[in-house]
Amino acid sequence: AQSVTQPDIHITVSEGASLELRCNYSYGATPYLFWYVQSPGQGLQLLLKYFSGDTLVQGIKGFEAEFKRSQSSFNLRKPSVHWSDAAEYFCAVGDQAGTALIFGKGTTLSVSS
Amino acid sequence: GAGVSQSPSNKVTEKGKDVELRCDPISGHTALYWYRQSLGQGLEFLIYFQGNSAPDKSGLPSDRFSAERTGGSVSTLTIQRTQQEDSAVYLCASSLLSGRAKNIQYFGAGTRLSVL
Repeated sequence: AQSVTQPDIHITVSEGASLELRCNYSYGATPYLFWYVQSPGQGLQLLLKYFSGDTLVQGIKGFEAEFKRSQSSFNLRKPSVHWSDAAEYFCAVGDQAGTALIFGKGTTLSVSS
Repeated sequence: GAGVSQSPSNKVTEKGKDVELRCDPISGHTALYWYRQSLGQGLEFLIYFQGNSAPDKSGLPSDRFSAERTGGSVSTLTIQRTQQEDSAVYLCASSLLSGRAKNIQYFGAGTRLSVL
């Protein structure tokens, strides 16, 4: 079955510390991978995407993610977290045909001062 | 418009009533998607429209749910005889199906539906 797993429901990180949010997927076709962020009361904003090529992708707000096919993972990283990064983060998988995305259940990030 | 627009932003209704939720996609986007975000359930796909093809309705939870897309642009999601379990945030997204931005879904802010 096709699925996305985000093992961490909630993570708290100190401001200025590094961050890694985990994402594992199970997908039959060549995956298109996405990370979205959702602030309270807002829609989803695309942080970054991986379609093909270089497995380390850069996104907005200083985020990056690395695609590891052997581990079926697409973990999100940021070297230094800011208080404004507190939000909910969703990993999603799709395909080149443009079908609907399959989302993980999300990871809520809290940032402590 | 500049982004995906959804209306209303909030809707409170009584159990058993019908509701209509509207989505205005980004101009020129040929694909349109509806998702539901429930507490503890994450985002669930409901239906998507791809160009002039028949919509993929495989995610609709019951026959009380339907959607249409008129003129290849605006879409309306209708929920008939609402139930309390329909309470959720309904998100709409749109995307291009060709070009460099192909398959990138852009989301609206959602409609928060509360069924009393």
